[in-house]
Order: sequence, then structure tokens, then C-alpha cells
Amino acid sequence: ETGVTQSPTHLIKTRGQQVTLRCSSQSGHNTVSWYQQALGQGPQFIFQYYREEENGRGNFPPRFSGLQFPNYSSELNVNALELDDSALYLCASSPWGGQGTDTQYFGPGTRLTVL
Amino acid sequence: GENVEQHPSTLSVQEGDSAVIKCTYSDSASNYFPWYKQELGKRPQLIIDIRSNVGEKKDQRIAVTLNKTAKHFSLHITETQPEDSAVYFCAASIDNNDMRFGAGTRLTVKP
Repeated sequence: ETGVTQSPTHLIKTRGQQVTLRCSSQSGHNTVSWYQQALGQGPQFIFQYYREEENGRGNFPPRFSGLQFPNYSSELNVNALELDDSALYLCASSPWGGQGTDTQYFGPGTRLTVL
Repeated sequence: GENVEQHPSTLSVQEGDSAVIKCTYSDSASNYFPWYKQELGKRPQLIIDIRSNVGEKKDQRIAVTLNKTAKHFSLHITETQPEDSAVYFCAASIDNNDMRFGAGTRLTVKP
């Protein structure tokens, strides 16, 4: 198992609410990427944070936002929840700089259900 | 942006046989190609990866090949075992950013 942790494990929200998901990166890793994985599909890239700055973003609307803290942990915030936001949210951490630093290690995920 | 296609979507093999999963990508700038195994209800786990400066990499029963000209890469699992049963995802990225995943292959190894 990797050292990447996520909380909470499961979450149920209603449409229109806001949610915050948390990720603690593996020791020594300063880059965190977030993914949405709908049932039966591959993970879809939401965004990446490096040294507290957004470092790339996938095709997700602005109501998906994030933060990275000085200890490299990260949050994913989703506003105005929609039914289609129901999915497994995965974070992955990686080091930065040099050969072999592109390997991403995933956390266990947060299962979000929007009713 | 990058587009990754993966085939087949399901694969069933007899224990001891080999399994091959193929992926194509669209962005010639992609330089990192990992493969992940995901068991039901668990996190994706990296099983092998390859970078664009290498054509082939092997780790025990698992190997990956990369053809940059054709923009495709493949996962080969030999001597399959029932515990290899899972969903396998290929992915492609440029410098560890904006990683794009294939839709997955559900591998079933029958004892």
C-alpha cells in the first residue's frame, strides 16, 4: 500500500450542496493530482497541484477547485453539486524533478454520492 | 489534448496462458506510460511503467512495449494466475501532468 491517505472514505450529499475532500501525500512527495472515476470508467484528470499552485487542469468546470498546503496535503472542493458528480475521487502524489519522478501513487479514494 | 484508447474492454484467459492489452495515444509529446491494476473497491496500483526513451521493459511475468512511431503501447502478462484478475488501465502523460487513462480492460483468469 502507498502512504497516500484520503478522507472521508464515503460521503453522501444532496444536489446543490458543497463538499470538501482531503488528501495527504506520501512522505517526500510535493505534487498532488486529483481524478474523478465514474463507475466502470478510467480515472479522469481534474487538476494537479505543485508547491501550492495549480499546475495543470483537465476539462472540469470552475466549481471544481483545489488547494495545496505547505505540508503538501491537498483539498478538492466541489460547489453546487450535481447528480453526475457521483463518483470515486482519487488523489495521487508524486515527487518532482528528475528521472522517475512522474510515477503517481494513488490514495484509496473518497466515494461521493449525490442524491 | 491527449486521447488514450484501450482494447479489449474484457479479456478472459485460462490460468497459465498469456494476456495482452493494447493502448494507443494521440499526442506524440507524451513521454510517460504507466499501467495500473485496480481490484474491486480498491485504489489503482502501479504495476509497471515505461518512459519514451525505452522500447521495452520487463518485471517478472509482466512486460510493456512501446512503439513511439505508431503511438501504441502494450501490456503482456505471462503465466497468468487467478490473482491477476482485475481491471487494468493504461495511461499517458507529458512530464507527469494531465495524465489520461484508457477506459480499462477487465481481465478474468479462469482456474
